[in-house]
Amino acid sequence: EVQLVESGGGLLQPGGSLRLSCAASGFTFSSNWMHWVRQAPGKGLVWVSRINGDGSDTTYADSVKGRFTISRDNAKNTLYLQMNSLRVEDTAIYYCVRFSPPVGWGQGTLVTVSS
Amino acid sequence: DIVMIQTPLSLSVTPGQPASISCKSSQSLLQSDGKTYLHWFLQKPGQPPQFLIYTVSNRFSGVPDRFSGSGSGTDFTLKISRVEAEDVGVYYCMHTLQVPLTFGGGTKVEIK
Repeated sequence: EVQLVESGGGLLQPGGSLRLSCAASGFTFSSNWMHWVRQAPGKGLVWVSRINGDGSDTTYADSVKGRFTISRDNAKNTLYLQMNSLRVEDTAIYYCVRFSPPVGWGQGTLVTVSS
Repeated sequence: DIVMIQTPLSLSVTPGQPASISCKSSQSLLQSDGKTYLHWFLQKPGQPPQFLIYTVSNRFSGVPDRFSGSGSGTDFTLKISRVEAEDVGVYYCMHTLQVPLTFGGGTKVEIK
C-alpha cells in the first residue's frame, strides 16, 4: 500500500527553524518527483516546492525561496523540508505529495508560527 | 504563473441531483507529450485532499464512477452525476504543467 506520512510540525516563534519529514512507502521512492504543498488555516492549497528523483533538481515558490530547502534521502525513502526564517504567514498544514503518477495524500503536519 | 479560476465558489445540491464545477486556466495545459496536466481533488471536512481525477478525465483508484472530468486546453469541468451526502467538501482543480504548480480557489459543495 502506498503511504506518505508527514511529521516534524510544531509551534515556534517567528524567525525559527524546523525540519519536516515525509516517510514514503509502497512505491519506488527514488523514481519520483516529490512535492510539498501547504494549506493555511481555512485557506486553499498552495504549492511550496518540488524535487526530482535523485535530488539534483529543486524548485521553490517565490514565497519560500531562500528560506526553505527541499531534500530527500532515497536510502531512507524520506522527503524533507528544512524551513528557516519562519514567518507568521508560514503557518499551515504541510503535505508531501506525489502527483505523477498520483497517490493518496498523507494527513499532513501542522506548523504554527506565532509570537 | 498559470492562474486557475474555478466557478462557482459554492454549490448547494439536492441529493441525487447532478452538479458541475468549471475550471479555467490562463493558458493551455496541453503538454508536448500529448497529455493535459489538469487534476481534480476533493477535500472533505477535516481531512486532507484526495485525488479524484488526474489528467483531465482519469478517475483515481476507488473514486466512484459518478465523478467524471472533461475538457481540453484551458476549459475543464468536473461533473457529479448524482450527488451523495458523502460528496460534501471543497473541490479544487490544479495544474502540474509547469512550476509553479497552481490550484484553483476551490468550490464548496454542500447538500441541501
